[in-house]
Amino acid sequence: QKEVEQNSGPLSVPEGAIASLNCTYSDRGSQSFFWYRQYSGKSPELIMFIYSNGDKEDGRFTAQLNKASQYVSLLIRDSQPSDSATYLCAARSGGRLGGTSYGKLTFGQGTILTVHP
Amino acid sequence: EAQVTQNPRYLITVTGKKLTVTCSQNMNHEYMSWYRQDPGLGLRQIYYSMNVEVTDKGDVPEGYKVSRKEKRNFPLILESPSPNQTSLYFCASTPSGFSEQFFGPGTRLTVL
Repeated sequence: QKEVEQNSGPLSVPEGAIASLNCTYSDRGSQSFFWYRQYSGKSPELIMFIYSNGDKEDGRFTAQLNKASQYVSLLIRDSQPSDSATYLCAARSGGRLGGTSYGKLTFGQGTILTVHP
Repeated sequence: EAQVTQNPRYLITVTGKKLTVTCSQNMNHEYMSWYRQDPGLGLRQIYYSMNVEVTDKGDVPEGYKVSRKEKRNFPLILESPSPNQTSLYFCASTPSGFSEQFFGPGTRLTVL
């Protein structure tokens, strides 16, 4: 069974701290990885995606990918109460299905983050 | 405004009463998917479509049907809903097989 696993949480950090969210995946054919943020009752919204080993930074967010260890992480610097949400990690596989290029997107179960003032 | 819309947003129904949840996107995306989200289980794919008249099963297709007669629309059909289909449903679209998903606002379904 191809899976994406996230650290179970919930995770609670003080305002201004670094929040670290982790994700492992089992399908070595996964080619790109996505972090979504989801507020309660709302739809997921994309924060970042990464497909190369190493770090990718966007403002307060840094995604890290280690394909050898099958590990993806998201760091949130200077955490704010507005960052409190569920964070979803997703892995997209590579390859073809039925003659059409389509990478299936598999989501982890999500990690609830609370940033307290 | 580029968006994915779903209707209805909330629905309470009874076991066995057929229902359809509509999904429409105005971004001319090729790919569309349906997911259900349950506590502790994350988002699980029900069905996806790669183009008009091309659909395939996702991870949890039992009890659901879909159709893709037009590029913009991808309705989800529950012919005989059961209580275990009570969930939060999301439709999503993507321009290519490897891009990010754009999600609709969600439909909260309760089957009594």
